[in-house]
Amino acid sequence: QITLKESGPTLVKPTQTLTLTCTFSGFSLSTSGGGVAWIRQPPGKALEWLALIYWDDDKRYSPSLKSSLTISKDTSKNQVVLTMTNVDPVDTATYYCAHRRSGQNYFHYWGQGTLVTVSS
Amino acid sequence: SYELTQPPSVSVSPGQTASITCSGDTLGDKYACWYQQKPGQSPVLVIYQDTKRPSGIPERFSGSNSGNTATLTISGTQAMDEADYYCQTWDSNTYVFGTGTKVTVL
Repeated sequence: QITLKESGPTLVKPTQTLTLTCTFSGFSLSTSGGGVAWIRQPPGKALEWLALIYWDDDKRYSPSLKSSLTISKDTSKNQVVLTMTNVDPVDTATYYCAHRRSGQNYFHYWGQGTLVTVSS
Repeated sequence: SYELTQPPSVSVSPGQTASITCSGDTLGDKYACWYQQKPGQSPVLVIYQDTKRPSGIPERFSGSNSGNTATLTISGTQAMDEADYYCQTWDSNTYVFGTGTKVTVL
């Protein structure tokens, strides 16, 4: 059974760096082809893909946010970390992590999400 | 960058058919998938690779994709199908979500 859970701060000040952790079970990121993505959703708005890290440490980023995002993984801890620098109130959103199965470009398993508010 | 456009809202009577469109340049040349999201919940995959249903998704959910438009069809819509629906595809090593459609069952 695949599960994912996001953790991190609920409140961040503008210009600070946001660090979110996705802890997962039921699969290994050392398995060929798999990946974990970060996706966010501002209140009342649409889903937005942010980044994805593949099993082989290849990383992909949203072109519009690439300069502010870093994704990394710790295979031994079954964790994926997303950092976002210089946050702004528009970054207020629920942040989800999700599993990408090997060879597939969709997300079958999602975490519960974590709401992050950017405010002074 | 690639964009997917959906109608903001669709209304349907119980038992009737709801069709939700997702438009993007040559979308039919790519795979599309669909997610259902109810208030306060995480998205749930209901259709992948244009037409396939994950285990546990009712048969009343079906999908198609041709030309510039992918379509999610809900046949015999039930009150429990009231939710937001998002299409998604993959283009040039990036994942793209649609603008979302709110389905209201009147």
